[in-house]
Amino acid sequence: AQKVTQAQTEISVVEKEDVTLDCVYETRDTTYYLFWYKQPPSGELVFLIRRNSFDEQNEISGRYSWNFQKSTSSFNFTITASQVVDSAVYFCALSGGGNKLTFGTGTQLKVEL
Amino acid sequence: NAGVTQTPKFQVLKTGQSMTLQCAQDMNHEYMSWYRQDPGMGLRLIHYSVGAGITDQGEVPNGYNVSRSTTEDFPLRLLSAAPSQTSVYFCASSRVSLSGEQYFGPGTRLTVT
Repeated sequence: AQKVTQAQTEISVVEKEDVTLDCVYETRDTTYYLFWYKQPPSGELVFLIRRNSFDEQNEISGRYSWNFQKSTSSFNFTITASQVVDSAVYFCALSGGGNKLTFGTGTQLKVEL
Repeated sequence: NAGVTQTPKFQVLKTGQSMTLQCAQDMNHEYMSWYRQDPGMGLRLIHYSVGAGITDQGEVPNGYNVSRSTTEDFPLRLLSAAPSQTSVYFCASSRVSLSGEQYFGPGTRLTVT
């Protein structure tokens, strides 16, 4: 069975602060994929990133960066210089063998002025 | 392209009623899936399809039926609605299985009284 844990239920920061959202996963598969999705207050789900288990390189996209560490089974997401528009629920997800996609319970990020 | 469309956006049912949630995509994706989102539980996979005529169960399939007669459409049927099925339902499609980027519809908010 595969599992995704997002221990941070809610995080509040002040605009321009950096914030890291944690994601820890469990799987017995050697080939798997990790994802982050954003759900803004409007409710839609927006794809942010996909990473396969063989690629541990960190990735940066503008103010967003992702740190994948197989040794700790973590795939953390950092927003630099947060903005109010970053306020959303962020989901980490895992797809291993057996055509299953498992989501974490989400982290509600609130960015205040 | 409209992407993934879902109808209706909102629905209220009485216990025991049946209904079909519609989902369509115009991206010629082979993979389609249904999720439900409940507070504090993230998204859970209900059913998925790897192509026309092929469906399979996800994590929480009880009380739901699906069929896939065309590549474009993937309806979700509630056979006899129960209050436990009150949720937000998302349909998604993907070009490369559940290990690929999922394109989500806008969601259907269902209340069963």
